[in-house]
Amino acid sequence: DSGVTQTPKHLITATGQRVTLRCSPRSGDLSVYWYQQSLDQGLQFLIQYYNGEERAKGNILERFSAQQFPDLHSELNLSSLELGDSALYFCASSPLPGQRRGYTFGSGTRLTVV
Amino acid sequence: GNSVTQMEGPVTLSEEAFLTINCTYTATGYPSLFWYVQYPGEGLQLLLKATKADDKGSNKGFEATYRKETTSFHLEKGSVQVSDSAVYFCALIPGENQGGKLIFGQGTELSVKP
Repeated sequence: DSGVTQTPKHLITATGQRVTLRCSPRSGDLSVYWYQQSLDQGLQFLIQYYNGEERAKGNILERFSAQQFPDLHSELNLSSLELGDSALYFCASSPLPGQRRGYTFGSGTRLTVV
Repeated sequence: GNSVTQMEGPVTLSEEAFLTINCTYTATGYPSLFWYVQYPGEGLQLLLKATKADDKGSNKGFEATYRKETTSFHLEKGSVQVSDSAVYFCALIPGENQGGKLIFGQGTELSVKP
């Protein structure tokens, strides 16, 4: 157990729907990162939060949004889902942004859009 | 910009063979370098890291040396086991004041046969 908790582990939904993925960072970590892993795109950085504030954005679609709450958990909202959104979504955390010791990853949420 | 390039897989080896997975990077400043491993059906685990030139990261028999002159961080293991079968990702966090997000290579799949 890495200490980063992601729920749900699996999600199957239809095109056009909206889902919410949840991440609880490791205890003491203030920074949260979301990544998307797909076969054709590899691991893509989506967005980063630090202590509730958005810190950096990567290749995140406008249909996607995220936030980090006061208790430091984070949610990634995916709307108007398309077949191409099917992927593994990982959350990672670190004590501070850019932590040189690396980030701790959760086990991921596998999203399947049908 | 910042990027990581890994040798393409899949790499197939026999048990006890020597492993090298090549990784080169482009980065501004002085990045920290990492190898992550993803076992089938699991999340990403930090395998080893190096934060400055000539540092050697090591863990579980794997080693990688931060070579600034060749901008490389090749992963090596002297004798692989079937249990090492996984996907290996080279990654970097850029130098100071560069945003701090972890940037991954495309991953190299390793398959070790008995």
